[in-house]
Amino acid sequence: KAGVTQTPRYLIKTRGQQVTLSCSPISGHRSVSWYQQTPGQGLQFLFEYFSETQRNKGNFPGRFSGRQFSNSRSEMNVSTLELGDSALYLCASSFAGGSETQYFGPGTRLLVL
Amino acid sequence: AQSVAQPEDQVNVAEGNPLTVKCTYSVSGNPYLFWYVQYPNRGLQFLLKYITGDNLVKGSYGFEAEFNKSQTSFHLKKPSALVSDSALYFCAVREAGARQLTFGSGTQLTVLP
Repeated sequence: KAGVTQTPRYLIKTRGQQVTLSCSPISGHRSVSWYQQTPGQGLQFLFEYFSETQRNKGNFPGRFSGRQFSNSRSEMNVSTLELGDSALYLCASSFAGGSETQYFGPGTRLLVL
Repeated sequence: AQSVAQPEDQVNVAEGNPLTVKCTYSVSGNPYLFWYVQYPNRGLQFLLKYITGDNLVKGSYGFEAEFNKSQTSFHLKKPSALVSDSALYFCAVREAGARQLTFGSGTQLTVLP
């Protein structure tokens, strides 16, 4: 079974631009979560989607948004990019969340100049 | 609120020696506990989890972890370390009923040949 895939793997943007990252979960998984990883803050939860609905949201500004499609694929969008948004963005999928294991993709490394 | 602590930023161990990576947690109810490993420029790989039952959990690549409720700990162990085990290790907790997985700050394990 194919794992979680994320595109693109690397991205360079400038301040003020916006960016869209994509995540395809493992086949059959309906829960998709997004995390931001930085050296200073570690792994921080952004949001979780299940059956096209946002179920939970972390403490990030409204510039960070996401959505999930009917095939469970998910996108996250960051508008008005700031230098501090430079990070590795990780997507994880599970069948339904809860006690189930989340399986992570390789991540998208975003550099904001 | 759920939280997890990894008290050691760095652990060094000689190849062939046993290794331990420490993790303590704090939750209000029953915890679901996970260990993940991250290699450079990669996403997180699942190693093992504790949901309920036997306190000793065996996982991938010869790793195991012991759930200790009285000490609120979930230390990761391996009887004989390999150089290839060198990586960043994350402990994570999810309280029963919570939607969000909370990660520790990570422990960099270096196995010296």
